[in-house]
Amino acid sequence: DVVMTQSPLSLPVALGQPAAISCRSSQSLVYSDGITYLNWFQQRPGQSPRRLIYKVSNRDSGVPDRFNGSGSGTEFTLKISRVEAEDVGVYYCMQGTHWPPVTFGGGTKVEIK
Amino acid sequence: EVQLVESGGGLVQPGGSLRLSCAGSGFTFSSYEMNWVRQAPGKGLEWISYISGSASTIYYADSVKGRFTISRDNAKNSLYLQMNSLRAEDTAVYYCAPKGITWGQGILVTVSS
Repeated sequence: DVVMTQSPLSLPVALGQPAAISCRSSQSLVYSDGITYLNWFQQRPGQSPRRLIYKVSNRDSGVPDRFNGSGSGTEFTLKISRVEAEDVGVYYCMQGTHWPPVTFGGGTKVEIK
Repeated sequence: EVQLVESGGGLVQPGGSLRLSCAGSGFTFSSYEMNWVRQAPGKGLEWISYISGSASTIYYADSVKGRFTISRDNAKNSLYLQMNSLRAEDTAVYYCAPKGITWGQGILVTVSS
């Protein structure tokens, strides 16, 4: 199974400041069709997870443009350009290239400093 | 508006059974691949099962294989998870998770004597 490793575990950020979350996979996430199936999810406190980013860098409908995904191969990053109060929660990366099983990273908790 | 509502959770003794349901509305249910994803208390996300739109393809995580059965009834816009031989480690919030759209709010399953 592909292991997804996120860092940091916890990320205190001041309002208006940038934040970056790293996600590494144990093997390349490039599928045979050339597409990289790496998604990012946000889980606000008390809510169900919501997909923010799919295929590395594509924002889902309604996702603010301060969220940006990047990376390739085994190294990926989710950046928030200016953190707002509503961004507090846990962020998960997820790979859908080598499945089953789909695997998630352990999560990164973003909180306001 | 896309809506997914899970039901059927609750408290069950080890070795017991439960059947989770997920009712979808606001989208063409039969066109969507569906997953069940669970989250143990205070823990991260774990994918447990997948079913294609036509139900012709089904996958399970090793942790539930042979004990859980996923199914769907497209005429009723519903997804199901039959859970048998439940263990304490199956205690979690279970999410109905369609590929690419909003997840359900989750339903708590507690396995305890």
